[in-house]
Amino acid sequence: DADVTQTPRNRITKTGKRIMLECSQTKGHDRMYWYRQDPGLGLRLIYYSFDVKDINKGEISDGYSVSRQAQAKFSLSLESAIPNQTALYFCATSDEGRGLGGYTFGSGTRLTVV
Amino acid sequence: ILNVEQSPQSLHVQEGDSTNFTCSFPSSNFYALHWYRWETAKSPEALFVMTLNGDEKKKGRISATLNTKEGYSYLYIKGSQPEDSATYLCAFHGSSNTGKLIFGQGTTLQVKP
Repeated sequence: DADVTQTPRNRITKTGKRIMLECSQTKGHDRMYWYRQDPGLGLRLIYYSFDVKDINKGEISDGYSVSRQAQAKFSLSLESAIPNQTALYFCATSDEGRGLGGYTFGSGTRLTVV
Repeated sequence: ILNVEQSPQSLHVQEGDSTNFTCSFPSSNFYALHWYRWETAKSPEALFVMTLNGDEKKKGRISATLNTKEGYSYLYIKGSQPEDSATYLCAFHGSSNTGKLIFGQGTTLQVKP
């Protein structure tokens, strides 16, 4: 089983619909992140969480919300999806901030909003 | 806003060619620089983490150097093979970022047989 699992892998949804992307991990890491990837723009941080009670906005949080249900689970919601939220979404985890382990990524969720 | 830039954005080479690309990052508040390799339809995978000015890392035919004073890192691939085709991401870990990584936009390498 993968260390970081994202569901679904692919999703097509209509404008205005609410959608949730889920991420779970078996790494035992406290820190979890949601990024989106757009061609030519690299990975941009949406939200991050350093523990269950800690949620922080990233650089592009508008239109998104998150929930950290447990240490191992971090879900991303689009309250009312719009076409420019079409992107590849990655969940990642890391150990404590001064560690050098970097991130462990999930396989990504490709979301299309029509 | 911290800026991490990679160049070129894409690169096409023939099998056997050696190639290199650049990551530039802020030279202040440096903690670490990460390189990832990302193949299509897979997760990005860690290649190197570099911390010290002058650091050089090597894994097989891939190597990387680091200059923290001027804020750049080079990734080299010697004798490129088709299986090296991927997007290579660098990520800046600042001393005040408490673990968050700031990614460049990536360099996509295509190696033709």
